[in-house]
Amino acid sequence: DGGITQSPKYLFRKEGQNVTLSCEQNLNHDAMYWYRQDPGQGLRLIYYSQIVNDFQKGDIAEGYSVSREKKESFPLTVTSAQKNPTAFYLCASSLTESSYEQYFGPGTRLTVT
Amino acid sequence: GIQVEQSPPDLILQEGANSTLRCNFSDSVNNLQWFHQNPWGQLINLFYIPSGTKQNGRLSATTVATERYSLLYISSSQTTDSGVYFCAAREAGTASKLTFGTGTRLQVTL
Repeated sequence: DGGITQSPKYLFRKEGQNVTLSCEQNLNHDAMYWYRQDPGQGLRLIYYSQIVNDFQKGDIAEGYSVSREKKESFPLTVTSAQKNPTAFYLCASSLTESSYEQYFGPGTRLTVT
Repeated sequence: GIQVEQSPPDLILQEGANSTLRCNFSDSVNNLQWFHQNPWGQLINLFYIPSGTKQNGRLSATTVATERYSLLYISSSQTTDSGVYFCAAREAGTASKLTFGTGTRLQVTL
């Protein structure tokens, strides 16, 4: 099955710890994205990557970091610098950056206490 | 940047009823997508519709790009249609960023 996988589904961490969220796609898409969703809100863009070894900040990049070493993988690290890390995190991909339809993974719910 | 507004914010329907959800956007777009977020959080692609009309079963969507709005029609609603419906748009001439509305929360009751 082609698609986007995110792991884990639920993640719990103590304040002050960095945590890495996984996103993998086997759709052969060039572009990948990370969004954050807070309760009752829409999605906000954290980072995006158009090609391997390249990525750009979105609207709310502070406290987050990413890497894109492989086409199919785009992990997101939530660092201790992120002031309100508890949220629902969604990864997406599209065929190319200019190919407009984005497809989403199932998401990871991160709780930091 | 582009602004995306959805209405109504909440909608309760009885099973079998029809509904129309609206999405207004502030600038010209080259991407307009409708999503359904199910109770587990998964975003399901419904339509990619920067202009024109599309239909898929009981769902259809129309985007009037010149007037900067899109409509999602749900006919003969079912309880499985419950969830949050998001509209997302990308401003024409810009790269990558989809701007999401705050969604319409739909509850379909028996």
